[in-house]
Amino acid sequence: AQTVTQSQPEMSVQEAETVTLSCTYDTSESNYYLFWYKQPPSRQMILVIRQEAYKQQNATENRFSVNFQKAAKSFSLKISDSQLGDTAMYFCAFTDSGGYQKVTFGTGTKLQVIP
Amino acid sequence: NAGVMQNPRHLVRRRGQEARLRCSPMKGHSHVYWYRQLPEEGLKFMVYLQKENIIDESGMPKERFSAEFPKEGPSILRIQQVVRGDSAAYFCASSPRDRLYGYTFGSGTRLTVV
Repeated sequence: AQTVTQSQPEMSVQEAETVTLSCTYDTSESNYYLFWYKQPPSRQMILVIRQEAYKQQNATENRFSVNFQKAAKSFSLKISDSQLGDTAMYFCAFTDSGGYQKVTFGTGTKLQVIP
Repeated sequence: NAGVMQNPRHLVRRRGQEARLRCSPMKGHSHVYWYRQLPEEGLKFMVYLQKENIIDESGMPKERFSAEFPKEGPSILRIQQVVRGDSAAYFCASSPRDRLYGYTFGSGTRLTVV
């Protein structure tokens, strides 16, 4: 069974600074997809960024980028120029490429951006 | 193009009552997934449905929980004889056939059992 581990329950960062959220996962699959989701206080789950395991290039979406280390099974999220609106829970998630999109989520990291 | 619509947003039920949670997927999405989020935890998979078919219900509790996605109308997650431990946020997600796009989530239904 796949597992996703987020070892940082809470983090804080000063506005405009950079922060990195950690995530490791365990799988025997060779191809799969990894995601970071953001859950603000509104509770809406918002897809932040997506990485396909067969792509070596790290995904980037504006101020959000990932450091994908396939051999180490590590998938960290870097948020640059942090903004107050980035305050939220961040969930790392995994799905394999077979069948369908059943997703396994980590337990989340609560990020607080300090003005 | 409306997103995934879930209703109600908040639902309060007394122990022993039934809870019905509704989910209308995005237009063009034929795959629906239900997840449960207990307080201070991540989302846990419950069930995956396509129109008129349950594909995977491995995350559903064996008793009191059921789900359907009829040919017409929204997907329904039904919890019979609710207990305090059912209090959680229930999220629905939908996706098109192509998994590349990932999920689109609804805003969730927060169920409180009193």
